[in-house]
Amino acid sequence: GAGVSQSPSNKVTEKGKDVELRCDPISGHTALYWYRQSLGQGLEFLIYFQGNSAPDKSGLPSDRFSAERTGGSVSTLTIQRTQQEDSAVYLCASSSLVSLTGELFFGEGSRLTVL
Amino acid sequence: AQSVTQLGSHVSVSEGALVLLRCNYSSSVPPYLFWYVQYPNQGLQLLLKYTSAATLVKGINGFEAEFKKSETSFHLTKPSAHMSDAAEYFCAVRDQAGTALIFGKGTTLSVSS
Repeated sequence: GAGVSQSPSNKVTEKGKDVELRCDPISGHTALYWYRQSLGQGLEFLIYFQGNSAPDKSGLPSDRFSAERTGGSVSTLTIQRTQQEDSAVYLCASSSLVSLTGELFFGEGSRLTVL
Repeated sequence: AQSVTQLGSHVSVSEGALVLLRCNYSSSVPPYLFWYVQYPNQGLQLLLKYTSAATLVKGINGFEAEFKKSETSFHLTKPSAHMSDAAEYFCAVRDQAGTALIFGKGTTLSVSS
């Protein structure tokens, strides 16, 4: 597709359930980011995949959060045993690695609500 | 590790007034700095960026920002606000080692007629 695609756009789950959020980056983009956006907290960095290098996981808030990127393209963010404080919009972005100043292109996000 | 602080979570201006959104950064090495904008119900998009080529950077929609190393600042300005400028603005930093792009908490700009 032309842009970053995220699914689902909305997810409502019960506390304690696991959820998977998917990101399909722009074709050819080798850098992929996950951020969490919640009211008053801005964009919290979660994880960064850069080409074939080991991902930067320094932003993951707990071991309930994990992400993988298969074949250098699609990425899945998994949240295990969801808690109410996990409710937020999860944003994925991708960019070309040609330049460190390259623009990040964002998807429209997956809104997660944990009841 | 690098970080950014946006002073003021909410700024209100009148149409035609000067817009000033503040951003201070912390980085142990020369940074790259960015401003992104999120219009209501839309995704984030790049407004402008500092890449060390020039300290005064011009972006889209009449916005500009000036990199001041001595003040560790990268404030965003626009001489005359339009109603269409109402949005949330995010400052972001990454260092030249290629670490992750880190965003501030955002400033919501309201424009009244």
